[in-house]
Amino acid sequence: TQLLEQSPQFLSIQEGENLTVYCNSSSVFSSLQWYRQEPGEGPVLLVTVVTGGEVKKLKRLTFQFGDARKDSSLHITAAQPGDTGLYLCAGATSGAGSYQLTFGKGTKLSVIP
Amino acid sequence: DADVTQTPRNRITKTGKRIMLECSQTKGHDRMYWYRQDPGLGLRLIYYSFDVKDINKGEISDGYSVSRQAQAKFSLSLESAIPNQTALYFCATSATGTGSSYEQYFGPGTRLTVT
Repeated sequence: TQLLEQSPQFLSIQEGENLTVYCNSSSVFSSLQWYRQEPGEGPVLLVTVVTGGEVKKLKRLTFQFGDARKDSSLHITAAQPGDTGLYLCAGATSGAGSYQLTFGKGTKLSVIP
Repeated sequence: DADVTQTPRNRITKTGKRIMLECSQTKGHDRMYWYRQDPGLGLRLIYYSFDVKDINKGEISDGYSVSRQAQAKFSLSLESAIPNQTALYFCATSATGTGSSYEQYFGPGTRLTVT
């Protein structure tokens, strides 16, 4: 069973601060996704990273895939209350006829106005 | 209109009752999934289906069954509900294809309480 460890589990910061959340595993993934989930809703896909070392930006959010494709980070610049939510990472491994997508347990972010 | 819909959104049922959760999608995706989410345990896969004739067990399939009635419809049944099946249930879809086959599109969830 592949495990994805997310840290920190909880994060409470003031509006305008920067933050980084991490997603780590001992397994190699063919791709890794980040989702954001708001209360009462399903997770929404933010980004997929595929190549080791890849960096993708989505407005104030920067996603990085580790060189060895075992870990990833999400950095938020100048956090806003609208960034509040549960951030989930999910790692995919491909195999003939098989399906393996492992979710981390999430980082719950609260941005205080 | 939402691409992935789930009914009901909330359900309270008693131990031993049979219950069905339904999922419909207009994304045209072949692949559909059922997950449950519990505090502290994250999202866990119950069943998945890569097409109408393909059904596979996930990590925690015991106590659940599924039916893929059409490309757009995937239902989850609890044959005899028990309290530890109280959870938030999500349906998801994904496209078929190397680059996007793992990107999940989730419904809004069903909050199920078994008393």
